[in-house]
Amino acid sequence: DAGITQSPRHKVTETGTPVTLRCHQTENHRYMYWYRQDPGHGLRLIHYSYGVKDTDKGEVSDGYSVSRSKTEDFLLTLESATSSQTSVYFCAISDPGVETYEQYFGPGTRLTVT
Amino acid sequence: SQKIEQNSEALNIQEGKTATLTCNYTNYSPAYLQWYRQDPGRGPVFLLLIRENEKEKRKERLKVTFDTTLKQSLFHITASQPADSATYLCALVSNQAGTALIFGKGTTLSVSS
Repeated sequence: DAGITQSPRHKVTETGTPVTLRCHQTENHRYMYWYRQDPGHGLRLIHYSYGVKDTDKGEVSDGYSVSRSKTEDFLLTLESATSSQTSVYFCAISDPGVETYEQYFGPGTRLTVT
Repeated sequence: SQKIEQNSEALNIQEGKTATLTCNYTNYSPAYLQWYRQDPGRGPVFLLLIRENEKEKRKERLKVTFDTTLKQSLFHITASQPADSATYLCALVSNQAGTALIFGKGTTLSVSS
């Protein structure tokens, strides 16, 4: 998985609780992304980062916040989890110098909000 | 709004045949289109990128075409094998920096021996 780890890999939490997912990379890639994948919707971008402390919203950013204080770490926070945020969350990284624009994905975090 | 569709959720073929997967898009003119493979319980893995000025791209048993007039990309796997069974995703690269991808929902290919 190209030097990308996600933690935790599985989490069950209750509605209304805060949740933080962590993505860690050892590739020193500039760009990092958070996606969610749901049946019938495919992969959808939540937020992405183009450098330390530089982030921007994606297609489905409502209810999520992110932070990137170091090149290698990108955190996704659900301030108050809802059942609609039950999903599989993938982190990805990319290097703008790679001409194929390929993104390398982590193994995913399965989050269940009860 | 930009929309990307993969023609079928599932495709079943016999080993040795050619699998053809379709990706159609509307309301956009992407400079690039990518194909990824995803195995159950794992993240997607990049396979190929094709640019708008390229008609065809090949990599081993894989071939991708890109028709900007039809707004369609075709993904072929020749001499398919059971190990090719997976979900295949197409993705539009929707900005010049290559940072914004719009994914299709995927087609799950099953190759039987």
